[in-house]
Amino acid sequence: DIQMTQSPSAMSASVGDRVTITCRASQGINNYLAWFQQKPGKVPKRLIYTASSLQSGVPSRFSGSGSGTEFTLTISSLQPEDFATYFCLQYESYPLTFGQGTKLEIK
Amino acid sequence: EVQLVEFGGGLVQSGGSLRLSCAGSGFTFSDHYMDWVRQAPGKGLEWVARIKNKDKSYTTEYAASVRDRFTISRDDSKNSLYLQMNSLKTEDTALYYCGDITFPGTHIWGQGTMVTVSS
Repeated sequence: DIQMTQSPSAMSASVGDRVTITCRASQGINNYLAWFQQKPGKVPKRLIYTASSLQSGVPSRFSGSGSGTEFTLTISSLQPEDFATYFCLQYESYPLTFGQGTKLEIK
Repeated sequence: EVQLVEFGGGLVQSGGSLRLSCAGSGFTFSDHYMDWVRQAPGKGLEWVARIKNKDKSYTTEYAASVRDRFTISRDDSKNSLYLQMNSLKTEDTALYYCGDITFPGTHIWGQGTMVTVSS
């Protein structure tokens, strides 16, 4: 199974900050990586697919990058509505596996 | 509007069975691979199972934690996805979502149905 290790597991930041979250795969995943945002009590929302494709309707301050085994989600300028938990997902091979999540809190 | 609605969740005793259903609308259901994903209370996301489309012979895949206990199926004539859950364990307690979580483009994900397994 491919293990997805997200870092950090939690972080605090201020509105306007640039934030980067990393996901490392235990083996190469050919860019079959997605990023999800989940707010408390809400359904996960996909932000990015195939590592760097922005989901329709998602603000351009979100971006994804990386290849092989290391991937990043960047929020260029944090907005109040961005405080949430973020998960990565690899879908290169079965079983599909999620990272453990990064909780982004207000500083 | 793309929509998925899950139902069939509830409270069941350990060792029991439950069948979840998921009804799709607003998209060509038969074209899509369909997944079940679950989230235990206060925990992260766990992929459970996938069923591919007719072109891929409705091939199924499962997480090790549910293989041999859960069965995913679909009825494209009813735009419906199912998850038959047998030999339920307390650790299966979770909110179960259906969707095509990897389709490039439109994000297709339901609102979830809660399954609680009591000891």
